[in-house]
Amino acid sequence: AQSVTQLDSQVPVFEEAPVELRCNYSSSVSVYLFWYVQYPNQGLQLLLKYLSGSTLVKGINGFEAEFNKSQTSFHLRKPSVHISDTAEYFCAVTLFSGGYNKLIFGAGTRLAVHP
Amino acid sequence: EPEVTQTPSHQVTQMGQEVILRCVPISNHLYFYWYRQILGQKVEFLVSFYNNEISEKSEIFDDQFSVERPDGSNFTLKIRSTKLEDSAMYFCASRMGTGKDIQYFGAGTRLSVL
Repeated sequence: AQSVTQLDSQVPVFEEAPVELRCNYSSSVSVYLFWYVQYPNQGLQLLLKYLSGSTLVKGINGFEAEFNKSQTSFHLRKPSVHISDTAEYFCAVTLFSGGYNKLIFGAGTRLAVHP
Repeated sequence: EPEVTQTPSHQVTQMGQEVILRCVPISNHLYFYWYRQILGQKVEFLVSFYNNEISEKSEIFDDQFSVERPDGSNFTLKIRSTKLEDSAMYFCASRMGTGKDIQYFGAGTRLSVL
């Protein structure tokens, strides 16, 4: 069975500092990987995705993530965060099996950016 | 940009009552999903729907739950007899279905069972 582990439930950081949100997954088959962001009282917005090709993927709002197959990781990074990046971040995987593609989410990491 | 629309944004109901959560997926999408997020917990898959039938469901999706696409645009989740533990945020998502495409999520319906 597939699972996603987000190693940090909360990450406090000062504005303009770099940040890394960690995500590890387990799967016996190939997966697609995603990061979603949830701002307070809002829905889930896709930040970035890895489907194939280059292991370094760039997303919206200056975020990027690197797929590491040997370490089964997909860590999210931003070189300089803003107050507006304060949100909950979810890592997710999906199998491409039968076309139905349900998403399996991690528990989330709450990023708190302080001035 | 097209978006997934969910109504209502907040639903309050008494235990034992039936609720219907409504979603309007993106118009040319073929795959539809419901997910649930209990407060403070992870987002969990409930059910996927394709070609007018359930394609996959989780163990959470028991006989109290049902989904329907009653017309060409709406996609509904019904909970027949709500329990306190059904209180959660419910997200609808849709996907076009071309293989490597992504799921687009609605803003969610917060269900509060009293």
